[in-house]
Amino acid sequence: QSALTQPRSVSGSPGQSVTISCTGTSSDVGGYNYVSWYQHLPGQDPKLIIYDVNKRPSRVPDRFSASKSGNTASLTISGLQAEDEADYYCCSYAGGGTYGVFGTGTQVTVL
Amino acid sequence: QVQLVQSGAEVKKPGASVKVSCKASGYIFTNYCMHWVRQAPGQGLEWMGIIYPSSGDTSYAQNFQGRVSMTRDTSTNTVYMDLSSLRSEDTAVYFCARGWGSGFYYMDVWGKGTTVTVSS
Repeated sequence: QSALTQPRSVSGSPGQSVTISCTGTSSDVGGYNYVSWYQHLPGQDPKLIIYDVNKRPSRVPDRFSASKSGNTASLTISGLQAEDEADYYCCSYAGGGTYGVFGTGTQVTVL
Repeated sequence: QVQLVQSGAEVKKPGASVKVSCKASGYIFTNYCMHWVRQAPGQGLEWMGIIYPSSGDTSYAQNFQGRVSMTRDTSTNTVYMDLSSLRSEDTAVYFCARGWGSGFYYMDVWGKGTTVTVSS
């Protein structure tokens, strides 16, 4: 199972919006509505910020939104803040006993 | 509060095995499953496998089939991840994470990670 494809980095100024894509195949992202996103700051444990393609845990601000079309999922951060600077990973269920295939990761930089 | 406490850092020689533990507290241990995920230096997250503490059933990523074993001890609310035939590429931080949500596919609480260094 290959890793899902994400851009290596994206950047934006405070207040702007950035979108991160996550491209897989019909065997993972395209085949199931079990896509999640994780925020990972270096030296810390990852945090779940999106599940079931577009749902947010209660503690996650609504600046984070997500969607899916075909084999590509997307995460949008609106109103970018300095605290959003982190690595972001998508993850998809892939069936056949593979509960999680992660994306390659995207570093978000707040300019 | 829900907490996962992992064992300390390990240094191993190539060919050896390592066993990392993850002790859960703050929730009913057998009501959730546990994932293991690793991150090699400068690399992304990699899913390794999952264990259901209630039954001991496991499912492993293809990349680790034959080299990884996940077990649990319900008397101490602890899961273990055993990785054998270590090579330098296994140098990584290993995380346990509680499975949650639809099919337990999501990881809502994570341990702080255990650094495993493989070096001769």
